[in-house]
Amino acid sequence: NAGVMQNPRHLVRRRGQEARLRCSPMKGHSHVYWYRQLPEEGLKFMVYLQKENIIDESGMPKERFSAEFPKEGPSILRIQQVVRGDSAAYFCASSPGVDETQYFGPGTRLLVL
Amino acid sequence: QKEVEQNSGPLSVPEGAIASLNCTYSDRVSQSFFWYRQYSGKSPELIMSIYSNGDKEDGRFTAQLNKASQYVSLLIRDSQPSDSATYLCAFNAGNNRKLIWGLGTSLAVNP
Repeated sequence: NAGVMQNPRHLVRRRGQEARLRCSPMKGHSHVYWYRQLPEEGLKFMVYLQKENIIDESGMPKERFSAEFPKEGPSILRIQQVVRGDSAAYFCASSPGVDETQYFGPGTRLLVL
Repeated sequence: QKEVEQNSGPLSVPEGAIASLNCTYSDRVSQSFFWYRQYSGKSPELIMSIYSNGDKEDGRFTAQLNKASQYVSLLIRDSQPSDSATYLCAFNAGNNRKLIWGLGTSLAVNP
């Protein structure tokens, strides 16, 4: 049973470009969480999605950030017009249910030049 | 007050010793608590989950939860150099069970 998959593992963007981060949950998991870890800071919740629904986006910045989890395919975290402060590790976690343990993917390390 | 407080360390113990990691939290409603381990440049890896007051043991790891004191700890027996990592304490918050994280305690096990 493959674990949570994230790609790309490393992403370099110039200021103003768009970043698209993908997450495929573990088989049988329909709950996806995105977290961000800034350098020298702790993990911060961003958004919680179930298939085709955003359940909780209270941790998402109000502008430039969006997330989706379509019926088919991976969950996507999109960052438009990236700035240097967006440089961080972005982790996706999945669980089979809302009260179940969350399992983490390897993360995408975004570097904005 | 931070929602989750951990001593940042570094905590340094000799190989074979017991490492004790502590965490306090502010949310009295939370029911689920987790210890994750994170190696440098890697993703968090679940070590233990605990839901009830008392101790829970899994191999060399023991988690202790005291809800009245809002305190959770992790003991690592017979520490190994491979245990050297950052240990993150987290709890589920709200109906959507998003994880709220401490900043982590850096553990160094010296051969």
